[in-house]
Amino acid sequence: QKEVEQNSGPLSVPEGAIASLNCTYSDRGSQSFFWYRQYSGKSPELIMFIYSNGDKEDGRFTAQLNKASQYVSLLIRDSQPSDSATYLCAPLAGGAQKLVFGQGTRLTINP
Amino acid sequence: GAGVSQSPRYKVAKRGQDVALRCDPISGHVSLFWYQQALGQGPEFLTYFQNEAQLDKSGLPSDRFFAERPEGSVSTLKIQRTQQEDSAVYLCASSLQVIYNEQFFGPGTRLTVL
Repeated sequence: QKEVEQNSGPLSVPEGAIASLNCTYSDRGSQSFFWYRQYSGKSPELIMFIYSNGDKEDGRFTAQLNKASQYVSLLIRDSQPSDSATYLCAPLAGGAQKLVFGQGTRLTINP
Repeated sequence: GAGVSQSPRYKVAKRGQDVALRCDPISGHVSLFWYQQALGQGPEFLTYFQNEAQLDKSGLPSDRFFAERPEGSVSTLKIQRTQQEDSAVYLCASSLQVIYNEQFFGPGTRLTVL
């Protein structure tokens, strides 16, 4: 079992719809969770982080965390073509400072 | 302010050559991280510095990989006797590490070993 699992996609969503990206993790010691966006040929860009169970909203983005289920998600509302990218889920390893990345979900927003 | 910078952006090496990759973190960021990203995969942790102290090098794949940050600012990742499997993008990230350790990435160095 991988430490961080994401559906690799591609996930195709029509413009204006909600994109839902999911992630499960195995390290119960993880307390902080980060979502990065990575455009092709570019480096990861931090979108959001969450550390408490529940929802955290920032503009069109909502992160959701359920530590009991070891599940993190990212919702993108009113999806735009510029949201087309790979989205990386990255828990902070328990007891350490390193991020443990999933392989990423490739998202395509169709105009 | 300026973000994390890395140089060179691209490096081509012949197998067996030594390479040195440089990272200049965001000013004031005490923590610095190196990650390796293979094509189609998420980044994988290599090593971590807090100021000049290398606190975690558990991700370095072999003793051919060496990293330093002598003055607690700029860091260099050195790979000796490069192999084809070392071909990847090497990403540097820095963090203020106040509470939640938000890490901000540089543009990366794409290393190709022929």
